Amino acid sequence: SYELTQPPSVSVSPGQTATITCSGDILGYTFPSWYQQKPGQSPVLVIYQIDKRPSGIPERFSGSNSGNTATLTISGTHVLDEADYYCQAWDGNTDVIFGGGTKLTVL
Amino acid sequence: EVLLVESGGGVVQPGGSLRLSCAASGFTLNYNFFAMHWVRQAPGKGLEWVSLINGDGSRTYYGDSVKGRFTVSRDNSKNSLYLQMNSLRKEDTALYYCVKDRGYDSPDGMDVWGQGTTVTVS
Repeated sequence: SYELTQPPSVSVSPGQTATITCSGDILGYTFPSWYQQKPGQSPVLVIYQIDKRPSGIPERFSGSNSGNTATLTISGTHVLDEADYYCQAWDGNTDVIFGGGTKLTVL
Repeated sequence: EVLLVESGGGVVQPGGSLRLSCAASGFTLNYNFFAMHWVRQAPGKGLEWVSLINGDGSRTYYGDSVKGRFTVSRDNSKNSLYLQMNSLRKEDTALYYCVKDRGYDSPDGMDVWGQGTTVTVS
């Protein structure tokens, strides 16, 4: 089965750019999504189809994909962006895979 | 606004069974236009995909850890989703989310999540 690998944690100062990566073989041929989960809350879709934002998601959230690595970028990071972030992809056949999650700390 | 409300969680002994339900409302398009998932999260852990069912219920998919034990189904006339869980194990203990996908036949982004229902196997 496939795996998606994320760094366990990322730290950024307020106003700076946060970059969270997600690596896996299937990212070479599939469209990843990204989710934000704050403590005690359900996850929220922030990026789908590599780089599309659902309505209501701030423009500072963007996505990209290069080779086998997808990247979630948060520009001008706010303290309110502090959360766990998960990448997710469909293997095109039978499996949905989540990355292990990245804890974003804004301080 | 789409709303998903899960129910049916509880405490069950190992080897037991439980049936989760999810009631969906607020769809501007028909409920049967969208694939649905169950996703779980063990205490303090990350997200784990459990199951996917396509819009008309003709295709179902399962994560390796639940294959052969869990069965997903939907009743589009009732805007409802179900998860029958048999042969439960302690490692199935988690918060179970009902999730709407943007796609019909295959995943395209999970855009609406319920609040979850807790399953404890002990």
